[in-house]
Amino acid sequence: DTGVSQDPRHKITKRGQNVTFRCDPISEHNRLYWYRQTLGQGPEFLTYFQNEAQLEKSRLLSDRFSAERPKGSFSTLEIQRTEQGDSAMYLCASGQGIYGYTFGSGTRLTVV
Amino acid sequence: AQRVTQPEKLLSVFKGAPVELKCNYSYSGSPELFWYVQYSRQRLQLLLRHISRESIKGFTADLNKGETSFHLKKPFAQEEDSAMYYCALNGRSTDKLIFGTGTRLQVFP
Repeated sequence: DTGVSQDPRHKITKRGQNVTFRCDPISEHNRLYWYRQTLGQGPEFLTYFQNEAQLEKSRLLSDRFSAERPKGSFSTLEIQRTEQGDSAMYLCASGQGIYGYTFGSGTRLTVV
Repeated sequence: AQRVTQPEKLLSVFKGAPVELKCNYSYSGSPELFWYVQYSRQRLQLLLRHISRESIKGFTADLNKGETSFHLKKPFAQEEDSAMYYCALNGRSTDKLIFGTGTRLQVFP
């Protein structure tokens, strides 16, 4: 197990297109988190799962965003009808909050 | 509201000087506090957590509930400490981390 994996590392898309990112957590972690980070800011919480159940969603997660974690393993984050304001680094983490997370390397999204 | 404030965007010191990265938080209960570090071209990683009362790479942080602070300290900075440091809070009522905006530490030779 090499830690938390995210794919792709970089994504450039045209405004209005849909994009999907994948996260593979550490296998023994049943909690998985998505964060977004823009320049000069710390990571901002988007949503998290315990196994396949999505337990909390941020107000940042508009109806254009959807996240899934089928079978409680990997997770996907989809953004529909992308906007320039969606350009950011999307981070995935697994673990449990009280003990600290393990983060992936992130997917950098650029909307042009 | 839960909030983490890191007042310094950049902290520059010379090698061997003491370092203190400030972190203040706003939370009505008893939070868990963490420091995360991101070295150049590396992923964000956990540095230390207050519940462990540990010292990692010479860094320590003490939770001061009276001042609602969790400052990160190191008595003698090293060049390899140069990185971005984020303070984070986990409220017991939820399992998400709230991050500050980060402080970039530059240690000059």
